[in-house]
Amino acid sequence: GNSVTQMEGPVTLSEEAFLTINCTYTATGYPSLFWYVQYPGEGLQLLLKATKADDKGSNKGFEATYRKETTSFHLEKGSVQVSDSAVYFCALKRGDMRFGAGTRLTVKP
Amino acid sequence: EAGVAQSPRYKIIEKRQSVAFWCNPISGHATLYWYQQILGQGPKLLIQFQNNGVVDDSQLPKDRFSAERLKGVDSTLKIQPAKLEDSAVYLCASSPAGVRNTGELFFGEGSRLTVL
Repeated sequence: GNSVTQMEGPVTLSEEAFLTINCTYTATGYPSLFWYVQYPGEGLQLLLKATKADDKGSNKGFEATYRKETTSFHLEKGSVQVSDSAVYFCALKRGDMRFGAGTRLTVKP
Repeated sequence: EAGVAQSPRYKIIEKRQSVAFWCNPISGHATLYWYQQILGQGPKLLIQFQNNGVVDDSQLPKDRFSAERLKGVDSTLKIQPAKLEDSAVYLCASSPAGVRNTGELFFGEGSRLTVL
């Protein structure tokens, strides 16, 4: 069935460090791919998405590219801030939305 | 535009008791979802409604869980009787149907259930 595997956390970085959170997927056909973020005390919210191969989603300095050949959708940010501390979920949608287990990111000043 | 509303935010019950969670989706959103998020895991779909009809309830433990969306607007998720393993955050999400559907789900803040 369709599934998502993402990098286990927690991840702790210093402010201005480079971030990568790995995400790979298994799916039939061509799913849409998403990154959702959950800030402390808040609900999940969409961070970015890509709907077809080679699409790049971007938002708030975060980027992820839909790589069909490696079935991946890795999340990257060049310079993280303390305010980026949150739990990040990779997800795919082909029919229903399937989520990865989440990666907790803590950014220290 | 008001977001997805859920209540209660927190609930503590003993095993074998019952509990109900309520969700009011974003106005005009035809599709409503209930997800279960166990600590350390990603959200798992329990049930999906399109208006007041069930689209997918294949992962809903029907011996103890039930959900309804009678008028195609708000929804209630019930657990009866609760087990220890039902301790989780219950997330409600909604999305528009048809041409307005971008694939994005809009989530509420969740209802955290602790079963003792």
